[in-house]
Amino acid sequence: DAGITQSPRHKVTETGTPVTLRCHQTENHRYMYWYRQDPGHGLRLIHYSYGVKDTDKGEVSDGYSVSRSKTEDFLLTLESATSSQTSVYFCAISPGTGDSYEQYFGPGTRLTVT
Amino acid sequence: KQEVTQIPAALSVPEGENLVLNCSFTDSAIYNLQWFRQDPGKGLTSLLLIQSSQREQTSGRLNASLDKSSGRSTLYIAASQPGDSATYLCAVGSSNTGKLIFGQGTTLQVKP
Repeated sequence: DAGITQSPRHKVTETGTPVTLRCHQTENHRYMYWYRQDPGHGLRLIHYSYGVKDTDKGEVSDGYSVSRSKTEDFLLTLESATSSQTSVYFCAISPGTGDSYEQYFGPGTRLTVT
Repeated sequence: KQEVTQIPAALSVPEGENLVLNCSFTDSAIYNLQWFRQDPGKGLTSLLLIQSSQREQTSGRLNASLDKSSGRSTLYIAASQPGDSATYLCAVGSSNTGKLIFGQGTTLQVKP
């Protein structure tokens, strides 16, 4: 398995509070991604990073921000959590070299906003 | 806007059957296509990646094909086993950023 960890694995928080999820990789891959998975919507891209301090928006980026200060860490912040952000969040990584953009996923973080 | 569809949403087969899972996409200008497996409560496991220039990829009992002109990919599972029970997801990459658009998945149950 690709060396990807996510923390925390489970979190319950209240509406209006900021929340930060962490993705850590040991593969030295260039690309990192944050997705959310919801029943009826499947997996949707929130933000991604193509290098240290290089990030871009995905399909559902409103209400989320990201930061990547080191190759191995990619942080997802919910600036002011809302109930609609209750979801399972997955981090993924990809080498992004040559022809290889195969993505490898972490175990996920289950976030509940009450 | 790229849309990815997987039909059927659920499938139940007896052990030993060969089966085909379908994935269709609306924009044929894809960069690659990736098949994943997801077990309940778990993350996604990459099964096969097909580059846009390729027609198929094989790994063990799995074979994935790609027909860009018709906007279709199939995942063939030979001699299915109860351990193959999971949700199978198809995802299309439309650029060299690696961004993926996912289908809703097909949930497979293989009965002993």
